[in-house]
Amino acid sequence: KQEVTQIPAALSVPEGENLVLNCSFTDSAIYNLQWFRQDPGKGLTSLLLIQSSQREQTSGRLNASLDKSSGRSTLYIAASQPGDSATYLCAVRQQGTYKYIFGTGTRLKVLA
Amino acid sequence: EAGVAQSPRYKIIEKRQSVAFWCNPISGHATLYWYQQILGQGPKLLIQFQNNGVVDDSQLPKDRFSAERLKGVDSTLKIQPAKLEDSAVYLCASSLDDTRGSEQYFGPGTRLTVT
Repeated sequence: KQEVTQIPAALSVPEGENLVLNCSFTDSAIYNLQWFRQDPGKGLTSLLLIQSSQREQTSGRLNASLDKSSGRSTLYIAASQPGDSATYLCAVRQQGTYKYIFGTGTRLKVLA
Repeated sequence: EAGVAQSPRYKIIEKRQSVAFWCNPISGHATLYWYQQILGQGPKLLIQFQNNGVVDDSQLPKDRFSAERLKGVDSTLKIQPAKLEDSAVYLCASSLDDTRGSEQYFGPGTRLTVT
């Protein structure tokens, strides 16, 4: 059974710092991995989608990597800003079922 | 392009009452998902539709929850009767199709409080 873990659960950093969020999954039989951002009281906004054949994806200050064999993905945020404060969730799409399994998220606070 | 629409945004009901949520996916998206997100947790898939057929409802509490997607477009999720533990945000998402590479897009969610 696929399990997705995100560590740390919460993180506070000063503005301008580069940071890394981690996502681990137990079953490497995935089609893709998607990173989302969730602001309080809002739905999820897709940040990056990495196909299983890819190693990384970049969008602006965000870079996501995928190491399927070790069951890990990282989301790198460069030069963090207070507007980056949100909960970041990763989800893997399971082979066979096509089901998305979500992690519990990392709650990020960037201090001005 | 309009996003995924959901209504209502908030709902407060007493236990044992019934409630219904509505979702309109992005135009042309064949796959529609309903998730339940309890505070502090990641979303949990309740049901997945491909057009108007059910692909996965293995985690839907079928004794009290039901969902339909008539005509393969918008969808409703119903809870009857509600329990205290159903308090959560109910998220609807859609994707272009059910293929491996398809990206999910989420609506704003409906926050349900059961008292």
